[in-house]
Amino acid sequence: QQQVKQSPQSLIVQKGGISIINCAYENTAFDYFPWYQQFPGKGPALLIAIRPDVSEKKEGRFTISFNKSAKQFSLHIMDSQPGDSATYFCAACFNTNAGKSTFGDGTTLTVKP
Amino acid sequence: DAGVTQSPTHLIKTRGQQVTLRCSPISGHKSVSWYQQVLGQGPQFIFQYYEKEERGRGNFPDRFSARQFPNYSSELNVNALLLGDSALYLCASSSPGHKTEKLFFGSGTQLSVL
Repeated sequence: QQQVKQSPQSLIVQKGGISIINCAYENTAFDYFPWYQQFPGKGPALLIAIRPDVSEKKEGRFTISFNKSAKQFSLHIMDSQPGDSATYFCAACFNTNAGKSTFGDGTTLTVKP
Repeated sequence: DAGVTQSPTHLIKTRGQQVTLRCSPISGHKSVSWYQQVLGQGPQFIFQYYEKEERGRGNFPDRFSARQFPNYSSELNVNALLLGDSALYLCASSSPGHKTEKLFFGSGTQLSVL
C-alpha cells in the first residue's frame, strides 16, 4: 500500500519557469511533510517542510502549498535554474519523527537553460 | 563538522552471501535510521535506532537486522542475499531526541547482488 503518491514522474522546465510537483497522502495521522532534493551519487537533502496547521510555507524560491481536506501538498520552485535539476521526493511522517518517514517515488526535474 | 558517513560506498555480493553496512552519524546525533532505495523509487524505511534501542522497523524480512553502538554508530546486516536486495542503502541521523524534524542522509552504500 503506497501511502504517499507523487506526480509527475519527470518534469522538464525552461530556465526561469515554475516547477510544480504534487503529492497525495492517505493517512490523516501524518503530521509532518518534508521535501528532499537528491543529486546523483548523493543522499537526499532536506529542502523545506510543513506541518498541516499551515496552508503555505515559503523559503527563498521554494514554496510548499498544503491542502489538508484534499490530503494533498505540492512543491513550487520559482525561477527554476539549471542547478535545480535533481530528483525531488516528498515524504510524510508521524509525530514529527522524520527518521521514520514514508517517501513518494520521486520526480526527476530537468531545467533547460 | 563531518556529515553522515557510510562505508563501503560500493559493494558487490553474490546470492546467498551476507553483508554488513556501516554508518557514523553526525556528532551529537543519537538517532540513526536505515533506508533502502531501489533505482527509480523513493527511500523505503528499514529501521530506526535511538540510544541503542530499536524504535521502529519497516516491512522487511528477518534477513535484515541492525544494531547501534554506544558511540551511536550503526550497522545494517543482510543475510542470505537475494537479487532483489540490490539497491542503494541510505543511513540518516537526526539531532538529539528521537522525534525530530531534520533528517541528514549519508551518500549511501550501493549494493549489487549477482
